[in-house]
Amino acid sequence: DIQMTQSPSSLSASVGDRVTITCRASQTTLTYLNWYQQKPGKAPKVLIYGASSLQSGVPSRFSGSGSGTDFTLTITSLQPEDFATYYCQQSYTIPITFGQGTRLDIK
Amino acid sequence: QVQLQESGPGLVKPSQTLSLTCTVSGASVSTGTYYWSWIRQPAGKGLEWIGRIYTSGSINYNPSLKSRVIISIDTPKSQFSLRLSSVTAADTAVYYCAREGGYSNPMYDWGQGTLVTVSS
Repeated sequence: DIQMTQSPSSLSASVGDRVTITCRASQTTLTYLNWYQQKPGKAPKVLIYGASSLQSGVPSRFSGSGSGTDFTLTITSLQPEDFATYYCQQSYTIPITFGQGTRLDIK
Repeated sequence: QVQLQESGPGLVKPSQTLSLTCTVSGASVSTGTYYWSWIRQPAGKGLEWIGRIYTSGSINYNPSLKSRVIISIDTPKSQFSLRLSSVTAADTAVYYCAREGGYSNPMYDWGQGTLVTVSS
């Protein structure tokens, strides 16, 4: 299985801040890396697919980069609705695996 | 717009079989280049992929659960289903169904999730 490790596990930030979340895979996933946002009591929602493609309807303050084993999700100018948990997920090989999540809280 | 809705018992006894159904609207479960997936999330924890079925009927399972899982499609009812046998308390989780956009694509659409508790 490909292990996905996110850092940090939790993060406190303020509205307007820029934040970066990192995801590292235990072996290459090429660019088959997706990012999801999950709010309490809700299903995850895809933000970024293919490492860097913005899903339709997702604000442009979200961006993704990386390839191979190292990936980042960046949120510029945090908005109140961005405080949530973020997961990376590799869709390169079976079994599909997720990172452990990064909880983004309001400072 | 594709919509998914999970249904099934919210309480299952240990050693019994958990059975859930996902009803799909806005897309066909038997045509197109989609995978129909099951994912679960224990309370306060991360996401675990259980398995998926392709529109053609081919299936992939998570090896960690493979011996206990069956995923199937019911085309006339526009549903796909999950059966997980020999459940224990460790199988207590919110179970989600989702639509993957094809090979190596993300899970674009999700159901709202349904909590299944394993307890006597």
